[in-house]
Amino acid sequence: TQLLEQSPQFLSIQEGENLTVYCNSSSVFSSLQWYRQEPGEGPVLLVTVVTGGEVKKLKRLTFQFGDARKDSSLHITAAQPGDTGLYLCAGGGGADGLTFGKGTHLIIQP
Amino acid sequence: GAGVSQSPSNKVTEKGKDVELRCDPISGHTALYWYRQSLGQGLEFLIYFQGNSAPDKSGLPSDRFSAERTGGSVSTLTIQRTQQEDSAVYLCASSGRLRGPSSTDTQYFGPGTRLTVL
Repeated sequence: TQLLEQSPQFLSIQEGENLTVYCNSSSVFSSLQWYRQEPGEGPVLLVTVVTGGEVKKLKRLTFQFGDARKDSSLHITAAQPGDTGLYLCAGGGGADGLTFGKGTHLIIQP
Repeated sequence: GAGVSQSPSNKVTEKGKDVELRCDPISGHTALYWYRQSLGQGLEFLIYFQGNSAPDKSGLPSDRFSAERTGGSVSTLTIQRTQQEDSAVYLCASSGRLRGPSSTDTQYFGPGTRLTVL
């Protein structure tokens, strides 16, 4: 069974600060995905990383896939209250479904 | 509709009763997934449908859980003799690759059904 561990589990910071969320596994994944989920809604895909060492940027969000394809990170620059939510990493997919980490609850205080 | 829809949005039931949860995937999407999200366990995969093919039921938590997909579109997840540990948000997702799913396919999630078993 492939497991994904996310850290930190909870993070509360002030608007304008930077933060990094980590997603680690002992298994190799062919790709990893990052989702953001808001209360009462389903997760929404932010990005998919496929190649080891890959870096993808989405405005103030930077996603990195580890060289060995066992870990990934999400870095947010100058966090804003609108970034508040549950951030989930996920791997696998296809017929076996996605394996999700337990998520990072992020609160950005104005 | 434009997205995945699920009904009901909330369901409160008594222990021992049966419940049926419905998922309407995005029109034309051939792959459909059910997940369960609970406080302690996070999001866990339950079952996958590809078109009209018979699903692999090994991910279902117990034999009280069953799922079907009619006409390759709408799906229902049925829980018989509900237990308090079944309380969770049940999420459905669909994706659209016609040749079968791959790990990089985008799964589009519905808003979920929050099930509370008293």
